[in-house]
Amino acid sequence: EDQVTQSPEALRLQEGESSSLNCSYTVSGLRGLFWYRQDPGKGPEFLFTLYSAGEEKEKERLKATLTKKESFLHITAPKPEDSATYLCAVVYNQGGKLIFGQGTELSVKP
Amino acid sequence: DGGITQSPKYLFRKEGQNVTLSCEQNLNHDAMYWYRQDPGQGLRLIYYSQIVNDFQKGDIAEGYSVSREKKESFPLTVTSAQKNPTAFYLCASTPHRLNTEAFFGQGTRLTVV
Repeated sequence: EDQVTQSPEALRLQEGESSSLNCSYTVSGLRGLFWYRQDPGKGPEFLFTLYSAGEEKEKERLKATLTKKESFLHITAPKPEDSATYLCAVVYNQGGKLIFGQGTELSVKP
Repeated sequence: DGGITQSPKYLFRKEGQNVTLSCEQNLNHDAMYWYRQDPGQGLRLIYYSQIVNDFQKGDIAEGYSVSREKKESFPLTVTSAQKNPTAFYLCASTPHRLNTEAFFGQGTRLTVV
């Protein structure tokens, strides 16, 4: 079954404490993997697109990486404003569907 | 400014009623999607459309219907057959049918009263 799984479900960090979020996928023919940030009561905001294993993207304190089976979102020295739910999604060969993981809720305390 | 507009932001429905959620985009995107989000869960795909006058069921289409008569518009009707419609509904669009990031609206929160 085509699936996207994120871990952990929730993560609590102290300000400045670096960590990583995981997104594993079991789909055939990955066309693209996307990371989004979602604040409560709002629509997801696009962060990164990754297309092939070995690819990396960076934006401020965030860095996304991709292997053949999973992606990591590394957060370096997080700040309280990084608190949000981070969603991973994939598009794959079975035409046009964009499917999401269940998200990781990140809380960064000062 | 280009973007996706969902309306209304909040919607209350009595049991047994059908309601329609609006989604309009002025980004000239080909594909549009509807997702449902429940507390503590990710986004689940209801319906998607890659071109005008064509759409496909997602993973949880039962109790919902859509139309795609115009490129800019993809309304979602929540019918009385949907047993648990209270949720946060999100509309998205992409410029191409595959492998391009999706842009989201700000969502509609539907509550059954």
